[in-house]
Amino acid sequence: AQTVTQSQPEMSVQEAETVTLSCTYDTSESDYYLFWYKQPPSRQMILVIRQEAYKQQNATENRFSVNFQKAAKSFSLKISDSQLGDAAMYFCAYRSSQGAQKLVFGQGTRLTINP
Amino acid sequence: EPEVTQTPSHQVTQMGQEVILRCVPISNHLYFYWYRQILGQKVEFLVSFYNNEISEKSEIFDDQFSVERPDGSNFTLKIRSTKLEDSAMYFCASSVQPTSGVETQYFGPGTRLLVL
Repeated sequence: AQTVTQSQPEMSVQEAETVTLSCTYDTSESDYYLFWYKQPPSRQMILVIRQEAYKQQNATENRFSVNFQKAAKSFSLKISDSQLGDAAMYFCAYRSSQGAQKLVFGQGTRLTINP
Repeated sequence: EPEVTQTPSHQVTQMGQEVILRCVPISNHLYFYWYRQILGQKVEFLVSFYNNEISEKSEIFDDQFSVERPDGSNFTLKIRSTKLEDSAMYFCASSVQPTSGVETQYFGPGTRLLVL
């Protein structure tokens, strides 16, 4: 079974600085998808960024980018120019490319932005 | 922008009672999911639903749980006889099968269930 681990329960960063959230996963599959979801306080989870494992190029969405290291099974999220609105719980998630559509989540990292 | 909605936002019930959690997925979505998060633990998959039947379920989703799409808009999760350990945040999600690539699951805000 696949597992996802986020080893940083909490992180904080100064506004306008850059922060990296860590995620590692374990799988025996070669093709899969990885996601970062953001959950602001009392709001629903929204997708931040996703990566297909067969793509070597790291995904980027505006200020958000990932460092996908397939051999190391690592999928970190970098947030550049942090803004107050980035404060949230961030979840890393894994989805198999075959059959099962369920997402397997990490424990989450709570990100605080200091003004 | 369309959103997944869930009702109620909070539910308190007595152990052994039945509860029904309701979700309205995004209107053109065809795949529906329930996840839960016990306080301090990971978000866990419960069940996925497509074409009016369960497509996958986890070990957590035992005979006490059921899902239904009673009409064209609602997607419900029923817990027949609640236990203390069912206390959790329950998230509904929906997705549409894309023509290429992987689908995105859109989540609702959750229902916080407390079993006393």
